[in-house]
Amino acid sequence: EVQLVESGGDLVKPGGSLRLSCAASGFVFSSYSMNWVRQAPGKGLEWVSFISSRRDRSSSIYYADSVKGRFTISRDNARNSLFLQMDSLRVEDTAVYYCARDRGGAADGTDLWGRGTLVTVSS
Amino acid sequence: EIVLTQSPATLSLSPGGRATLSCRASQTISTFLAWYQHKLGQPPRLLIYDASKRATGIPARFSGSGSGTDFTLTISSLEPEDAAIYFCQQRGNWPRYTFGQGTKLEIK
Repeated sequence: EVQLVESGGDLVKPGGSLRLSCAASGFVFSSYSMNWVRQAPGKGLEWVSFISSRRDRSSSIYYADSVKGRFTISRDNARNSLFLQMDSLRVEDTAVYYCARDRGGAADGTDLWGRGTLVTVSS
Repeated sequence: EIVLTQSPATLSLSPGGRATLSCRASQTISTFLAWYQHKLGQPPRLLIYDASKRATGIPARFSGSGSGTDFTLTISSLEPEDAAIYFCQQRGNWPRYTFGQGTKLEIK
């Protein structure tokens, strides 16, 4: 089955760290760019980070301004896994975090999403 | 940052009706816009990409149109299972996406 399954969400105090994982199955993970997208309670979707596929000579990585310098995206193609290391967490980082596959390019879509993992930042 | 404004915030329609959802971009994005359906407890589902192309497995009653700054998602012959929140996503600044705030569609 083609799917993405996130894990690692938890309750953490402000200033703390957390590492999210996303396990991919049913497709050639290394061929796709990947994203993390989050949704805070009662809010819309917010793109967090992007990492390009193996097809590039080196992975291109982008971050939303709201997480730049605090979050680090990475991937392990041998393990079909995507990661998000989150440091210096803030209350406003509280959200459901989705792993999402990108078909690539502006004229395309994010065509596969996981069910999400909840991150709660609170004292 | 490209801001997307969706309207209306909520739409209540009857089964068999027609829904028209709007998404306006703060600057021109050609046709680089996608639409998603999101139901509670489920992952978002890609409906439309490149403004008007249906994703795999999406029924023909879902259609998208527009270019530049104004885009529309139309759902004809509404069914109860169409109740969801619909988001637009701009890809003009790929891969730095932004999403609209969503339109909640109620089927009564």
